[in-house]
Amino acid sequence: GAVVSQHPSWVICKSGTSVKIECRSLDFQATTMFWYRQFPKQSLMLMATSNEGSKATYEQGVEKDKFLINHASLTLSTLTVTSAHPEDSSFYICSARTQGETQYFGPGTRLLVL
Amino acid sequence: GQSLEQPSEVTAVEGAIVQINCTYQTSGFYGLSWYQQHDGGAPTFLSYNGLDGLEETGRFSSFLSRSDSYGYLLLQELQMKDSASYFCAAPMDTGRRALTFGSGTRLQVQP
Repeated sequence: GAVVSQHPSWVICKSGTSVKIECRSLDFQATTMFWYRQFPKQSLMLMATSNEGSKATYEQGVEKDKFLINHASLTLSTLTVTSAHPEDSSFYICSARTQGETQYFGPGTRLLVL
Repeated sequence: GQSLEQPSEVTAVEGAIVQINCTYQTSGFYGLSWYQQHDGGAPTFLSYNGLDGLEETGRFSSFLSRSDSYGYLLLQELQMKDSASYFCAAPMDTGRRALTFGSGTRLQVQP
């Protein structure tokens, strides 16, 4: 099946710093990727849709200036959490969809902001 | 908008059969998927129903009734490794296909 990778798998940073998370589709091209966030013991919530070659689409309540998304190629989308604060600590997961209905998820990035 | 409701927890013993239900309310409907997530891991795809009926994949089966806005995941011959959270999910719209996830059901398999 299709493979999606994320890097890093976990990161610890100080409050106020920025963190970049990469999401790659390894064996297929993805014009659209999705970024989700999951807090402990909660469900996944869509943050934004990353579109190759155009601006990302953010869900209501997600600050686009805080969560910068760049989809520079058909296999790479990046999420940058700017000026991270402890409340941004979460599990960030990207996904990409092939031509079918299946979405393939990356392994996730666990962010801890101290 | 969309909402998908699931029971929060289910407990069963090894070798048993368990059914996890999902009821949904959506402005449009584009199919129902099921995902498994172990603690600390990412969701992995289990099954998809685009039409009414039963889809079988090994020990896992999924059922959909669009007229009832209802689906379920059936796990047979439960194993300890099946202990995980299970989410139903539905595409938000016909274009992007981003997913709205249900609240999740934590399955605990006991020996």
